[in-house]
Amino acid sequence: QVTLKESGPGILQPSQTLSLTCTFSGFSLSTYGMGVGWIRQPSGKGLEWLANIWWDDDKYYNPSLKNRLTISKDTSNNQAFLKITNVDTADTATYYCARSLYYGLLLPDYWGQGVMVTVSS
Amino acid sequence: DVVLTQTPPTLSATIGQSVSISCRSSQSLLDSDGDTYLNWLLQRPGQSPQLLIYSVSNLESGVPNRFSGSGSETDFTLKISGVEAEDLGVYYCMQATHAPLTFGSGTKLEIK
Repeated sequence: QVTLKESGPGILQPSQTLSLTCTFSGFSLSTYGMGVGWIRQPSGKGLEWLANIWWDDDKYYNPSLKNRLTISKDTSNNQAFLKITNVDTADTATYYCARSLYYGLLLPDYWGQGVMVTVSS
Repeated sequence: DVVLTQTPPTLSATIGQSVSISCRSSQSLLDSDGDTYLNWLLQRPGQSPQLLIYSVSNLESGVPNRFSGSGSETDFTLKISGVEAEDLGVYYCMQATHAPLTFGSGTKLEIK
């Protein structure tokens, strides 16, 4: 059974760095073809893919945010991480992590429940 | 970036009615490997998105067969044959052929 769960700070101030953790079970990030991605959704709005990390440590970033994003993984502890630097109010959103399969660019087949992040002074 | 345009933005249906959602791409989603990476997701109220259909017409495991997908190149359709109450929510198309990966703006299905 594949599960993913996001955790984060809840609220942070503009210019700070947002650190998110995705803790998962039911698969391994050392298995060929496996990946974990991050997606965000401002309240009442659509979905935006941010970044993805693969079993071989290859990484994919959304070019619109690439300079601010860092994705990483801890295979031994079944975790993936995302850092977003220099946040502002536009980064307020629900952040999801999803298992991604190596299919096309990627195929997100399981999603976490999401974690709300608010950027406010 | 590939722009995916979904219509209609909102859809109201009665139980048992069949409905269709359109997703049009700003460029062909046919990949050089011969596959077309257009997927459909459903986000029920208060929940995270779930994968319904991948590569145009392949039903994800556990998804009821009243859902079906069709299309090619730039025009795609999700059909629900006999809407049920649990189908309400926002439907998104998503392309994974061209980087960066992009989503449509969503179609909200309401139950009358």
